[in-house]
Amino acid sequence: EAGVAQSPRYKIIEKRQSVAFWCNPISGHATLYWYQQILGQGPKLLIQFQNNGVVDDSQLPKDRFSAERLKGVDSTLKIQPAKLEDSAVYLCASSLWIGGTGIYEQYFGPGTRLTVT
Amino acid sequence: RKEVEQDPGPFNVPEGATVAFNCTYSNSASQSFFWYRQDCRKEPKLLMSVYSSGNEDGRFTAQLNRASQYISLLIRDSKLSDSATYLCVVTLYSSASKIIFGSGTRLSIRP
Repeated sequence: EAGVAQSPRYKIIEKRQSVAFWCNPISGHATLYWYQQILGQGPKLLIQFQNNGVVDDSQLPKDRFSAERLKGVDSTLKIQPAKLEDSAVYLCASSLWIGGTGIYEQYFGPGTRLTVT
Repeated sequence: RKEVEQDPGPFNVPEGATVAFNCTYSNSASQSFFWYRQDCRKEPKLLMSVYSSGNEDGRFTAQLNRASQYISLLIRDSKLSDSATYLCVVTLYSSASKIIFGSGTRLSIRP
């Protein structure tokens, strides 16, 4: 079974530039997540999609970050404009939707390592 | 107080030893719990879910203590390959989901 795919794997940009990341979840997984992981910390959930609807985006800095999941499959996460503190690994994960149980066995992609200079 | 707290370690133990670490959570309504393993510069990988009755998978045992609001992970007969960071995850589902990762506990197994 193919895993979660992400691209690019690495990106270096200057502050105030924009950047976009792409994620393709495991086939059949209705739920998709974007996380930000800063060095030395655990992943922080930015946004969660159920099919193409947003379940939770409470920690997404909406003034600069945006995400979409058209057609309920692939997703893109965009940062515009980037700041130095956005330097992190951006992880995409997917899971099956198991009703309203709060059970999410998530499978992660390899991540995109973003460096903002 | 952080919503999910872990001892950052590092735990440095000899091969073959038994090691255990805990993860505490602040929201008593939390519903689901997981342990993930993350190798250096890699993505987190699901190690095991944590069930109310406790569960075991080979050398790994996970337990949940709802009264004291913590989960634990026990690794028996540790191997060099167990060296990694172990992340606990706590989830809460009401009108929307809330998924919180701990900062991780670093484990280093020495020969």
